[in-house]
Amino acid sequence: AQSVTQLDSHVSVSEGTPVLLRCNYSSSYSPSLFWYVQHPNKGLQLLLKYTSAATLVKGINGFEAEFKKSETSFHLTKPSAHMSDAAEYFCVVTPLEALNFGKGTSLLVTP
Amino acid sequence: DAGVIQSPRHEVTEMGQEVTLRCKPISGHNSLFWYRQTMMRGLELLIYFNNNVPIDDSGMPEDRFSAKMPNASFSTLKIQPSEPRDSAVYFCASSDTKDYGGSETQYFGPGTRLLVL
Repeated sequence: AQSVTQLDSHVSVSEGTPVLLRCNYSSSYSPSLFWYVQHPNKGLQLLLKYTSAATLVKGINGFEAEFKKSETSFHLTKPSAHMSDAAEYFCVVTPLEALNFGKGTSLLVTP
Repeated sequence: DAGVIQSPRHEVTEMGQEVTLRCKPISGHNSLFWYRQTMMRGLELLIYFNNNVPIDDSGMPEDRFSAKMPNASFSTLKIQPSEPRDSAVYFCASSDTKDYGGSETQYFGPGTRLLVL
């Protein structure tokens, strides 16, 4: 069985400072992992995905995530937050039919 | 490509009425997913289709909910009768799945915001 836990429901950072959104997963086999972003009143957009290739995955808008099997983690990072990064972020582990969306992390970026 | 198209974007209805949500997946995609998003429960997978066939509907909350995919370019999610607790945002997503393994990217529609009074 697969599951995912987003460790923080809310994260607040100042503009220009680093972003860290944490995600731990459990999986009985090699998983595929995704980060999606949802801006207010919008649908979900793929940020990046890991599918057993390079463990450091680069996504859109300067985000990246590192797959760490030993820690069963897939944390999302960005070196410098921008106001437009304020959104809800979802970590997802496959297969998706098992309701494997995380509960989401709301990122607040302050001036 | 126009992306995944959902209609209506907003729906307000009264308890007991039938509600039909519609989705047009991205052309060429062979998997389609229906999700529901609420503050309390987050994002939940309701049902997904592969090649127009329902594969797993275990997420459908109860018999009041039904979904169909009569062809590769159209799907409906119907609630009959609707109840206030069905108020949520309903998302449709599609992906190009050669052999479902879950690593394919899902592309989401803008969602339908349903309010049942």
